[in-house]
Amino acid sequence: QLQLQESGPGLVKPSETLSLTCIVFGGSLSSDSYFWGWIRQPPGKGLEWIGSIYYNGSTYYNASLKSRVTMSADTSTNHFSLSLTSVTAADTAIYYCARHRHSNTWSPFDYWGQGTLVTVSS
Amino acid sequence: EIVLTQSPGTLSLSPGERATLSCRASQSVTSNYLAWYQQKPGQPPRLLIYGASKRATGIPDRLSGSGSGTDFTLTISRLEPEDFAVYYCQHYGSSPGPFGQGTKLEIK
Repeated sequence: QLQLQESGPGLVKPSETLSLTCIVFGGSLSSDSYFWGWIRQPPGKGLEWIGSIYYNGSTYYNASLKSRVTMSADTSTNHFSLSLTSVTAADTAIYYCARHRHSNTWSPFDYWGQGTLVTVSS
Repeated sequence: EIVLTQSPGTLSLSPGERATLSCRASQSVTSNYLAWYQQKPGQPPRLLIYGASKRATGIPDRLSGSGSGTDFTLTISRLEPEDFAVYYCQHYGSSPGPFGQGTKLEIK
């Protein structure tokens, strides 16, 4: 059974960089069948796709966050990471990692981590 | 970019009743690339429907999706206690988003 687990600091200061990692259990990041993505949800609000990465390192980012986002993947340790620079209070959210299928089109997210709350505050 | 508007914001119904949730797109959705998710408090979203009408693995047949173009519907034929949650639609045609703002289905 595929499981994803997010980890990282729960508190980040304004203007600093938010860094999170997602470890994949029961599946391989090296599979050419899937993308691996990050989605966030401000407390009490809706969902926002941040970006996705493919096993070969190809990355795809939400245009609204693209200037501040970097994703990377390490297939040897089966984890992928998110870096978001110059954070503000508006970046306070639950951050989820998730999987979606790779095909000739995008696909919905079928497996999700439990999420990790990141608060931006001094 | 497509904007998804869900209605109503909150729907109050009793177990056993029928629920109809709407998701309207600001422009026509590519090839019905429309998904529905359920989210309960403290949990991640769960994929229910993809391709506007296809049930994800393990989703009971009392949940159904329909629609095309700009208007989509999630129907729960007979509400069970575990169905009370927040529901989101997602368009995944040109990118893995956007999501609608959600409909909260609450017990009346």
